Amino acid sequence: DTEVTQTPKHLVMGMTTKKSLKCEQHMGHRAMYWYKQKAKKPPELMFVYSYEKLSINESVPSRFSPECPNSSLLNLHLHALQPEDSALYLCASSQDLSGKQFFGPGTRLTVL
Amino acid sequence: GIQVEQSPPDLILQEGANSTLRCNFSDSVNNLQWFHQNPWGQLINLFYIPSGTKQNGRLSATTVATERYSLLYISSSQTTDSGVYFCAVPPQGNTPLVFGKGTRLSVIA
Repeated sequence: DTEVTQTPKHLVMGMTTKKSLKCEQHMGHRAMYWYKQKAKKPPELMFVYSYEKLSINESVPSRFSPECPNSSLLNLHLHALQPEDSALYLCASSQDLSGKQFFGPGTRLTVL
Repeated sequence: GIQVEQSPPDLILQEGANSTLRCNFSDSVNNLQWFHQNPWGQLINLFYIPSGTKQNGRLSATTVATERYSLLYISSSQTTDSGVYFCAVPPQGNTPLVFGKGTRLSVIA
């Protein structure tokens, strides 16, 4: 199984609601990532988990809160988002921090 | 920090044509990855290629680490090759990838 899955595929939320994005992989990878991608731009790293511990937070606002419940799952909790947070949110995993990265299909988020 | 430059930024090809995409990076790296992002947003890892040449069907890649560049060759292009091609490198050893701005490819039937 070389697949990274993400749910939901699409999400529309208001600025006062709370939602969560989910990511799952069963490749035994020990590094997992959240990226944000705006239109016509490359993916922008948000968070990195290595061995289920947060190892990198790229100065992301606290309205984004990552969580790694176990080695296969990665969540991104969203609260009080702004319209400019609308983007494609991508999850990825790799064997370790220098390994080949595999991406999920992404969640298209719209904040109204 | 490390700089990753891709060229050309945009490319339009007739179906069946060949093309070469380039990725230059400003510092030594221990791996380089090429990705294809299709029009629906899915990113597929094409190659993990720290050095040398690899082939996968109509695609091949060459990285010359000592000269800090990599090339992605697409032969006999098909409309399904359309999308954005990114190269990405880690700034240092065991650090996450830095992406180039991509090459946007359109293959026309």
